[in-house]
Amino acid sequence: KAGVTQTPRYLIKTRGQQVTLSCSPISGHRSVSWYQQTPGQGLQFLFEYFSETQRNKGNFPGRFSGRQFSNSRSEMNVSTLELGDSALYLCASSLGTATDTQYFGPGTRLTVL
Amino acid sequence: QQQVKQSPQSLIVQKGGISIINCAYENTAFDYFPWYQQFPGKGPALLIAIRPDVSEKKEGRFTISFNKSAKQFSLHIMDSQPGDSATYFCAASKGGSARQLTFGSGTQLTVLP
Repeated sequence: KAGVTQTPRYLIKTRGQQVTLSCSPISGHRSVSWYQQTPGQGLQFLFEYFSETQRNKGNFPGRFSGRQFSNSRSEMNVSTLELGDSALYLCASSLGTATDTQYFGPGTRLTVL
Repeated sequence: QQQVKQSPQSLIVQKGGISIINCAYENTAFDYFPWYQQFPGKGPALLIAIRPDVSEKKEGRFTISFNKSAKQFSLHIMDSQPGDSATYFCAASKGGSARQLTFGSGTQLTVLP
């Protein structure tokens, strides 16, 4: 079974721009969660989507948004980029049940100049 | 507010030794405690997880010890191998869900040959 795939793997943007990251979950998985990983703040939960609906949301500003499509693929958007948004953005997929396991993708490395 | 505190930040052990990483949590609503292993350039991968109805769980060389009253849990890696060199994260979530994880700050483990 193919794992979680994220595109692109690397991205360089400048302040003020916006960016869209993509995540394709493992086949059959309906839940997709997004995390931000930085050296200073570590791994922080952004939001979770299940069946095209946002189910949970972390403590991030409204510049961070996401959506999920009917095939469970998910996109994350960051508008008005700031230098502090430079991070590894990780996507994790799971079946969506209470006791299942989250499987992480390799991440998208975003650099904001 | 850091809800999961992890220590040590880095750990060096000899091949064949025991690696011990500790985590403490504050939120008594947490009821799922996984450990993730992350290699450079990869996303975190689930190593082992425990729920508070048991005090210990063992899978191969990896053991989680859980102390509910002290709100602490730890990862023990027996017979540590150079291939175990990675960053280890403890995490916690609530509501029985394996999603919306709150992560510890990570421990960089180096196993010397």
